[in-house]
Amino acid sequence: GQSLEQPSEVTAVEGAIVQINCTYQTSGFYGLSWYQQHDGGAPTFLSYNGLDGLEETGRFSSFLSRSDSYGYLLLQELQMKDSASYFCAVRDFDSGNTGKLIFGQGTTLQVKP
Amino acid sequence: NAGVTQTPKFQVLKTGQSMTLQCAQDMNHNSMYWYRQDPGMGLRLIYYSASEGTTDKGEVPNGYNVSRLNKREFSLRLESAAPSQTSVYFCASSLAGMEQFFGPGTRLTVL
Repeated sequence: GQSLEQPSEVTAVEGAIVQINCTYQTSGFYGLSWYQQHDGGAPTFLSYNGLDGLEETGRFSSFLSRSDSYGYLLLQELQMKDSASYFCAVRDFDSGNTGKLIFGQGTTLQVKP
Repeated sequence: NAGVTQTPKFQVLKTGQSMTLQCAQDMNHNSMYWYRQDPGMGLRLIYYSASEGTTDKGEVPNGYNVSRLNKREFSLRLESAAPSQTSVYFCASSLAGMEQFFGPGTRLTVL
């Protein structure tokens, strides 16, 4: 079967750095994505890793290790507006060209002053 | 460009009633998806359509039907609503890549 594990909650202070981990188990693997969702809002795409290594987009970075079936999202210089839920999602071989994703349960990040 | 639009935004149904949730995208995407999200939970795929004219079941298809009316529109129908279908429903679209674009959601309550 397919499964993703990520922590349910993370708390950090404004200006700090936080890392949200994601481990996955899938039948084959195309890539790992991250989505952000504010309370009451829709998920929005943050980043994608298809190959091992670090991808950086402004204050956010995402890392993937395919050999460890593991990735993380790194948020730097935390701001209050970063308080949200963060979901990792994988696309596996079964999805073919459909773009079908399997989402994790989400990590709620609370940023405190 | 409006992106992905969904109607209605809110809906209250009684058990056994039927309704159709509408979704449209103006990004010329091939693939479209319907998810449900329960409180404190992740997104679970109900149905998806990889291209116009095709639809496939996702993780939780029971109690739902879909129609890919054309490339732009993908509707979700509840034939006989049940309280277990109380949820937030999101439609999404993509070019079959890793980035999916989501609509604002429909908040459905079944009494």
